[in-house]
Amino acid sequence: KAGVTQTPRYLIKTRGQQVTLSCSPISGHRSVSWYQQTPGQGLQFLFEYFSETQRNKGNFPGRFSGRQFSNSRSEMNVSTLELGDSALYLCASSLMDSNQETQYFGPGTRLLVL
Amino acid sequence: DQQVKQNSPSLSVQEGRISILNCDYTNSMFDYFLWYKKYPAEGPTFLISISSIKDKNEDGRFTVFLNKSAKHLSLHIVPSQPGDSAVYFCAAPSRGGAQKLVFGQGTRLTINP
Repeated sequence: KAGVTQTPRYLIKTRGQQVTLSCSPISGHRSVSWYQQTPGQGLQFLFEYFSETQRNKGNFPGRFSGRQFSNSRSEMNVSTLELGDSALYLCASSLMDSNQETQYFGPGTRLLVL
Repeated sequence: DQQVKQNSPSLSVQEGRISILNCDYTNSMFDYFLWYKKYPAEGPTFLISISSIKDKNEDGRFTVFLNKSAKHLSLHIVPSQPGDSAVYFCAAPSRGGAQKLVFGQGTRLTINP
């Protein structure tokens, strides 16, 4: 089975621009979560989608948004980019959304905001 | 509020010896714990997990121990190999049925030949 895939792998943007990142979960997985990793804050939860519905959201401003499609693929969007948005953005998928499911991560998208 | 803590930022171990990585948590409602291994510029790779109904789970060279009364878990790797050099994160899903992992800050493990 193919793992979680994320596109693009690397991205350079300038302040004020917007960006859309894509995630394809493992086949059959219906839950997709997004995380941000920065050197200062570590790995932080952004949001989670299950069956096209956002089930949970972390403490990020409204500039961060996402969606999930009927085939479970997910996108996240960041508008009005700031320098501090430079990070590794990770997508993870799991079969269901129960508490004792293992999440499997993709390789991440490295975003650099100049 | 850091609910999952890894107090050792780094650990250096000789090849062939045992590596022990530690993790503490503050939320007594956590009932499932995971360990992930991460190389630079890659996503975390799942290693092993443990449910709170157990106190030990073993998978090959990896064993996780859970001490609920102390709110402490540890990952043992034996024997340690050079390919084990990476950053290790412990994590726990928050309650509520949603997949929101709370991560520790990570421990960088270096295996010396």
